[in-house]
Amino acid sequence: SQTIHQWPATLVQPVGSPLSLECTVEGTSNPNLYWYRQAAGRGLQLLFYSVGIGQISSEVPQNLSASRPQDRQFILSSKKLLLSDSGFYLCAYSLVGTNYGYTFGSGTRLTVV
Amino acid sequence: AQSVSQHNHHVILSEAASLELGCNYSYGGTVNLFWYVQYPGQHLQLLLKYFSGDPLVKGIKGFEAEFIKSKFSFNLRKPSVQWSDTAEYFCAVNDYKLSFGAGTTVTVRA
Repeated sequence: SQTIHQWPATLVQPVGSPLSLECTVEGTSNPNLYWYRQAAGRGLQLLFYSVGIGQISSEVPQNLSASRPQDRQFILSSKKLLLSDSGFYLCAYSLVGTNYGYTFGSGTRLTVV
Repeated sequence: AQSVSQHNHHVILSEAASLELGCNYSYGGTVNLFWYVQYPGQHLQLLLKYFSGDPLVKGIKGFEAEFIKSKFSFNLRKPSVQWSDTAEYFCAVNDYKLSFGAGTTVTVRA
């Protein structure tokens, strides 16, 4: 069976510091991978998605970037965090060619101070 | 781009009351529809989904949803809620990506 791991669970970072959030999927190959941000009252906003190694699509221009260095690894990064980057970040995967929907990780609560 | 609208931001009701949460989407093509639930302090979980066939979909924990294509709606229902149904509920629509509504917070009072 597939599992998704996301870390860290919580993170407090100063403004201007770099960011790296990691997400890995086990038990499958070539998943579609997604980064979402959840804000109170605004649902989940898709930030990036990837259909393969090195392939990243950005949905919302912002201070963040994503990379997929390995098939089952998806990284969300920033060179310099802003206060507005605070939020709850969720990684998700879906299986190509199936109707199983998306499976979400446990999320990272990022607070920029 | 498609959009997803959830009609209620916060719903408060008593145990044993019936629940209906509205969801409308804007995309006119073939879509896959989902309801997700997030219990306090827990992961986002899939409640139910619709891809094709019977427009009345049964999910976990006694939830069901009805797809009405002519109304672009996918409303979630439960005949009798329990305190443990207190959670945030998200409607989502998938064409090439999963787009979420803003969510509805449901508070069930014992």
